Amino acid sequence: SQTIHQWPATLVQPVGSPLSLECTVEGTSNPNLYWYRQAAGRGLQLLFYSVGIGQISSEVPQNLSASRPQDRQFILSSKKLLLSDSGFYLCAWSHGGYPGAFFGQGTRLTVV
Amino acid sequence: GENVGLHLPTLSVQEGDNSIINCAYSNSASDYFIWYKQESGKGPQFIIDIRSNMDKRQGQRVTVLLNKTVKHLSLQIAATQPGDSAVYFCAENAGQGGSEKLVFGKGTKLTVNP
Repeated sequence: SQTIHQWPATLVQPVGSPLSLECTVEGTSNPNLYWYRQAAGRGLQLLFYSVGIGQISSEVPQNLSASRPQDRQFILSSKKLLLSDSGFYLCAWSHGGYPGAFFGQGTRLTVV
Repeated sequence: GENVGLHLPTLSVQEGDNSIINCAYSNSASDYFIWYKQESGKGPQFIIDIRSNMDKRQGQRVTVLLNKTVKHLSLQIAATQPGDSAVYFCAENAGQGGSEKLVFGKGTKLTVNP
């Protein structure tokens, strides 16, 4: 069966520091991969998605970037964090063309 | 743009009762809908999905109803248990792409009282 791993679970970072969140999927090949952000008490906002290695689409302009160095690895990064980057970050995957998505357990990022 | 919305932000029920969580959507082109359950501090968990060519689909203790005439989606949970306490999201996909086209509602918080 397919599983998705996301780490770390929680992270506290100072303003201006770099960020690297990692997500990996097991049990499938060539998945579509996604990064979402969820503000407290709110819905999910799609940040990035990838349909293959090195292919990244950005949904909203922001201080973050994403990379997919391997088929089942998706990384969310920032060179300099802002206070507004605080939030709950979720990685998700789906089969190509399937209209749904399956989520990881999330990373709670607090920028101080 | 058109979004998925929710009638009630919170719902409180007694253990053992049936729960009904509602969702209104406005994009008539949406042809796929999902319900997710999100427990505190965790990622959303897929519960059940339904395509627009169906009006009802049943899972284990859950039923999703789709009324395309009034653009309404509901999730029914039978014999609600304390472990069902969570935020429930509906999501729609207009079918013009893959999962990147999912649009999420803001969520309904379900509290189950013992």
